[in-house]
Order: sequence, then structure tokens, then C-alpha cells
Amino acid sequence: DTEVTQTPKHLVMGMTNKKSLKCEQHMGHRAMYWYKQKAKKPPELMFVYSYEKLSINESVPSRFSPECPNSSLLNLHLHALQPEDSALYLCASSQSDRVKLGYGYTFGSGTRLTVV
Amino acid sequence: SQQGEEDPQALSIQEGENATMNCSYKTSINNLQWYRQNSGRGLVHLILIRSNEREKHSGRLRVTLDTSKKSSSLLITASRAADTASYFCATDRRALTFGSGTRLQVQP
Repeated sequence: DTEVTQTPKHLVMGMTNKKSLKCEQHMGHRAMYWYKQKAKKPPELMFVYSYEKLSINESVPSRFSPECPNSSLLNLHLHALQPEDSALYLCASSQSDRVKLGYGYTFGSGTRLTVV
Repeated sequence: SQQGEEDPQALSIQEGENATMNCSYKTSINNLQWYRQNSGRGLVHLILIRSNEREKHSGRLRVTLDTSKKSSSLLITASRAADTASYFCATDRRALTFGSGTRLQVQP
């Protein structure tokens, strides 16, 4: 299995809702990532998990709460989002979070989130 | 924050022509990677070049790296309509940090 699977593919939520995005990989990768991408912009790093521990939080607002229950799963819990949080949320994984070693990232297809 | 800037921002060519995209970055790197993204989808890793390499080939892709100028280029030869996508360079900052991207349109 060489894929990263993200669910759901599309999500519409109100500003008072609580929802979760899910990401799964079975490649034995020990690093997993959340990126946010606005239209016609590059992906921006949100969180990095290494060996199931949060290693980087790019000053993301607390309404986004990541969770890594095990080495194959990564969740992003959403609460009290704003319309400007509407974006494509991408999950990725790699063999190691030591980016200077040069491991490529495998990306999922993303969750298109719309906050109304 | 973005590490690199890419130019052009958009490029439209005919099938069979070559496409060249350039990436400039700000800080020193150990390696630079190129990714492709079809509209609204995930990114796909294309090629990696290390800081001690000047040129690398993979199929119809040719990547160059000039660390003295902090720049890289991606050349796609004999382009096809299926190459239509956005292309991003990515540098090895705290995690992969993506450049602004080039939107390539290949007309059949």
C-alpha cells in the first residue's frame, strides 16, 4: 500500500460545529503532516508528528487540534472555525521528519473544507 | 511562510514544446524537491536534487540546481496535455516548505 487516504473528501460545516478530518497510511512512515492550502497558493505547514508525538506546530489557532492515535492514523479536530478557514487540507507522510535527509512526502488527495 | 518564489506564475505552451519553471529560495539547503499537483488534488513527488548535485534527470524531467544563486529549474521536455498541472519546488526548512508554484497549461 503506497497511499495516504484522507476522509472525507468534502466537508461543509457551520461555525459552531465540531468535525474531524482523518488521514491513514500503511507504508510504515513515522512522520505525518497536516498542510493547509488556499486557492492558487502553495501548501502551508500546520503540524508535524514524528513517532506519534507532535514535533512542530506552526502557530496554528487552537480551533485546530491534531491527534495521532497510532503510527498509521492522523486526525485533525475542528471546532468553532471561521469562513476564512475554508481551504484544502492535505495530509502527508514520510519515512522520517528529518527533512534534510531528503525523504519525499506522500500526500493524500485532501479534504475540501467549506465553513459557512 | 513561503521559502521560495517560482516564475513564471503561469505558463501556457503547445503540446510537444518544452516547459521551463524556475525556483528561487532564501536559505541554504541540503536538498530541493519538485512536486506536481493536478487541480484540487494532492501533490505528487517528482524528483529530488541534493545540494552537491548540479543536474538530475528522470524521464522527461530535468532539474538543475545552482546553490550559489539559490535557484533551481525544472524542464519538462516534449510536453503533453496530461502535464497540465501546478508545479512546486520545496526546500528542506523545518519541514518541506513550498514555493509559490507555476501553473502549467499544455494545449493539445
